[in-house]
Amino acid sequence: KQEVTQIPAALSVPEGENLVLNCSFTDSAIYNLQWFRQDPGKGLTSLLLIQSSQREQTSGRLNASLDKSSGRSTLYIAASQPGDSATYLCAVNNNDMRFGAGTRLTVKP
Amino acid sequence: KAGVTQTPRYLIKTRGQQVTLSCSPISGHRSVSWYQQTPGQGLQFLFEYFSETQRNKGNFPGRFSGRQFSNSRSEMNVSTLELGDSALYLCASSLRTGGGGMNTEAFFGQGTRLTVV
Repeated sequence: KQEVTQIPAALSVPEGENLVLNCSFTDSAIYNLQWFRQDPGKGLTSLLLIQSSQREQTSGRLNASLDKSSGRSTLYIAASQPGDSATYLCAVNNNDMRFGAGTRLTVKP
Repeated sequence: KAGVTQTPRYLIKTRGQQVTLSCSPISGHRSVSWYQQTPGQGLQFLFEYFSETQRNKGNFPGRFSGRQFSNSRSEMNVSTLELGDSALYLCASSLRTGGGGMNTEAFFGQGTRLTVV
């Protein structure tokens, strides 16, 4: 059974810092991995999708990497801003989507 | 292009009642998946429908059921509500191709907040 773990559970940084969020998974037989952002009480916003054959994807200040063989993905956020404050979730896709518990990010002005 | 639409946004129900939630996927998407999110258990997969057929089911009791219509809109039903069913219910749509697993990007709605009292 696929297990997805996200570290750290919470992170607080001052504005302008670069930061890395980690995601690990136990079964490397995945189609892709997706990173989401969730604001309190809201739905999930898709940030980046990495197909299993890819090593990384970039969108603006976000960069996600995937190392399928070691079961790891990282989300790099450059020059963080207070508006980046949210919970970040990674999900691995095979026959269904399995989520990590998320990292709650706070960016302080 | 309209996103995933879930209705209603909020519901309050009494124990023992039943509830039906609705999800309209992005136009052209044939796959709809449902998830339950609670503070204690996080996001858990309920089921997925593709072309009106249930393709996959999570580990939830039979009180949770769903269906998909020919226009890809999906409904989820929970019967005999329990206090523990209070949660944010999210649906996601994707272009998922017919044969494989969840191999395409998933887009989520804003969710339905269900409170059981």
